[in-house]
Order: sequence, then C-alpha cells, then structure tokens
Amino acid sequence: DIQMTQSPSSLSASMGDRVTLTCRASLNIRTSLNWYQQKPGKPPKLLIFAASSLQSGVPSRFSGSGSGTDFSLTIGGLQPDDFGTYYCQQTYSTPTFGQGTRLEIK
Amino acid sequence: QFHLVQSGAEVKKPGASVKVSCKASGYTFTDHYIHWVRQAPGQGLEWMGWINPNGGFDYAQKFQGRVSMTRDTSITTAYMELSRLTSDDTALYFCARGAERLLLVGNWFDAWGQGTLVTVTS
Repeated sequence: DIQMTQSPSSLSASMGDRVTLTCRASLNIRTSLNWYQQKPGKPPKLLIFAASSLQSGVPSRFSGSGSGTDFSLTIGGLQPDDFGTYYCQQTYSTPTFGQGTRLEIK
Repeated sequence: QFHLVQSGAEVKKPGASVKVSCKASGYTFTDHYIHWVRQAPGQGLEWMGWINPNGGFDYAQKFQGRVSMTRDTSITTAYMELSRLTSDDTALYFCARGAERLLLVGNWFDAWGQGTLVTVTS
C-alpha cells in the first residue's frame, strides 16, 4: 500500500493566520490526492479533490497544490470553524489516508 | 441533494458478526461505488473496501476473509458485514460515495453516512 505522511501532526494558529499542511506519498500518485476536514464524532467533509480542485460549497480560503509525492493544503485567513483534523487521502491505488493533522485555533 | 443514512449503533460480543447498512438517496445508486471506512476511538481513518452496486467488490487486505460487502439495488442500500469481531474492531464505521461515476483511480468521496458506532465488548 502507498503510505501517506502528514505534517505537522498538530498545529495551533490564530484567527486570520495563513496555515499550510503538508502530505507526502511514498510513491508517485500523480494528482490522485484529496483533502478532508473532520470534526469529532462527525464524518469527514471533502474540501479538495484531485490535488487542487475546490469542492462545491467549500470556502475559497481553502486551496490545494502539488503532484507526484508532495502536496499541501493552505487555509488563508483562519476562521473559528476551521478547527478540526485534516486528512489527506490517495486514490491512485488502494485508498489510504494520512494520519491526520489536528488544527487548533488559539 | 444526495444522502447516505446508516443503521444505528451496535454492541457485540467478541467472536460475533455485525452488519451495517447504508441507505442511499438522491442519485442513481448504480452509478457510484460505495466505500467503507472505519475510525477507531481517537485514531485516523482506515479504508476497508468498496462495492460496485452493479456487481463486484474489493477489500483491503487486512479485512479479507472477514468482511463482506453486499448491496440491494431494489432499496438502494449497501451493507458491510464484519465477522469474528474483537475489541480492536470497536470503531465508528462510515460508508462513503465515490464521486465520479464508476471511477476508482483518482476518485474522491463526496458524501458520507453519519457513521455507525460498533462496540465490541464481553
């Protein structure tokens, strides 16, 4: 299976900050990379698909980039609702998720 | 808008089986794969497998021999059955829809069920 490694594992930031989360794949996955946000006890919510496409209804402060093995999710101008855990997922082969980045709002 | 609604929480004894349902609505059921993902308490997301509502399935190697994914197209419902349960199977189980029609590689999950908590305890 393709391993997905996210960094950092946790992050604390202030409202209005710009933050970048990263995800690295163990093999070249082209742009088969998706990002989800999850809040406790809730299902994940799709934010970005195919590395850089914004899911309908997701605020434009979320953006994704990357291809091959290195990817990033940037949140420009943190809002209180942005707390939660962010997961990357590859679907180039058998789907796998990263271990998550927990984002705390200061 | 499309929705996935799962069956309620389950409590099972070690060695038992559990069957979770996922009722789809708002879209053509046979056009999209259904995936199953689980999340143990305080842990990350773990993909378990997929079912093609037209027929066919694939399971993560970890669960092969112990999981069965089926569907009933007449009631647009997918099922995931996990057998020989242990305490390690205590988790929140989600179904999710593959967004692009009948696509696996490069797809994404655009709708999720609310989750079904399965607790395995003696």
